[in-house]
Order: sequence, then C-alpha cells, then structure tokens
Amino acid sequence: SQTIHQWPATLVQPVGSPLSLECTVEGTSNPNLYWYRQAAGRGLQLLFYSVGIGQISSEVPQNLSASRPQDRQFILSSKKLLLSDSGFYLCAWSGGHGEKLFFGSGTQLSVL
Amino acid sequence: AQSVTQPDIHITVSEGASLELRCNYSYGATPYLFWYVQSPGQGLQLLLKYFSGDTLVQGIKGFEAEFKRSQSSFNLRKPSVHWSDAAEYFCAVVAPSSNTGKLIFGQGTTLQVKP
Repeated sequence: SQTIHQWPATLVQPVGSPLSLECTVEGTSNPNLYWYRQAAGRGLQLLFYSVGIGQISSEVPQNLSASRPQDRQFILSSKKLLLSDSGFYLCAWSGGHGEKLFFGSGTQLSVL
Repeated sequence: AQSVTQPDIHITVSEGASLELRCNYSYGATPYLFWYVQSPGQGLQLLLKYFSGDTLVQGIKGFEAEFKRSQSSFNLRKPSVHWSDAAEYFCAVVAPSSNTGKLIFGQGTTLQVKP
C-alpha cells in the first residue's frame, strides 16, 4: 500500500535561517507531488506541484522553492525564512489523474 | 477564474444535532468534487468525492454530500453530529481533464461541537 511520510512534525526557526522540509512517498511510482500551506485561520494554498523528477511548477511567487531530486521525494526549501513563512505545510501525492490526493501529516512551522 | 466558496467560516452545533456545511464552486464545466476533514494539527483525510452518476454520495464517518448542478453546490451533511467531528472541513474541486491533479480548495469551515 502507498504511504506518505513528511517530517519534521514541528519546527521552530529564527527569521533569516534556512529551511528544508522533506516528503517521501512509498508504494507508488511517478506520483504527482504537491506542497500546500495553510496559514492560521485561512484555507489551503497550493505552493508547488511536480509531475516528474526535476519538474517543478510554482503557483505563488514567494520566498520558498521546491525540488524533486528523486521520483518519490519532494523537498521544500528556503534560504532565508521570513515571519510570514509561518504556517502548516502539507505534502500530498496523487496518481496524476485528478482523482484523489493523499496528504502527509503536516509540518507546523513557526518562524520567530 | 475557478474558485470554491465555503460561506460559513465557523459553525457550532450541539452533539446529536444535524449538520450541513455549504460549498459552492465556480468552474467552466462540472469538476470533480471533494470534501476533506482536518483534525487539529493533522493532515487531511478524504471524506467523500463526486465524479459522476448518483448526485448523493456517501462517505466515511456517516457523512454524505449532494451535488446540485443547477446551484453549483456540493453541500456536506451528517444527520447526527458526534463530538469527535469537531474539525476543519474543506471543499475542493479539480478539472476532470486535469493530468496534474491540482485541487482548488475552499477557505474551510471550522466545526465546533457543543456537548
């Protein structure tokens, strides 16, 4: 069966520090991968999605970047965090046909 | 532009009472429709989905939703709410022709359950 792992679960970082959140999927090949952010009191916002290795589409211009070095690995990064980067980050995968997203358990990021 | 609207940001119901969460969408054609639930500090879980066919769909945890094309709505219902249903609920859509699976989410509705 397919599983999605996302870590860490919580993270507290100072402003200006770098960020790396990792997400891996098991039990499937060539998934579509997604990074979402949920800011406090707001809905989900799609940040990045990837349909294959090295293929990244950015939905919102911002301080973050994403990479897909392997088929089932999706990394969210920042060189210098801002206070506004605080939020709950969710990784997700799908089979690529728009039917269903499977979400990770999320990372609560606090930038202080 | 495609969009999903959940008009109710916050809803409070008593345990055992019925529940209806509203969802309206704006899309060029009938999209695929979803309801997700997010418990505090956790990821999202799919409750139910609609692709085609019977407009009343059954999901997990006793939830159901009805697709009404004329109203561009996909409202979520439960006849009797349990305290464990307190969570945030998201309606979402995706184009049937999409090969990227990009979901468009509503802003979410926070459900509080009174004892």
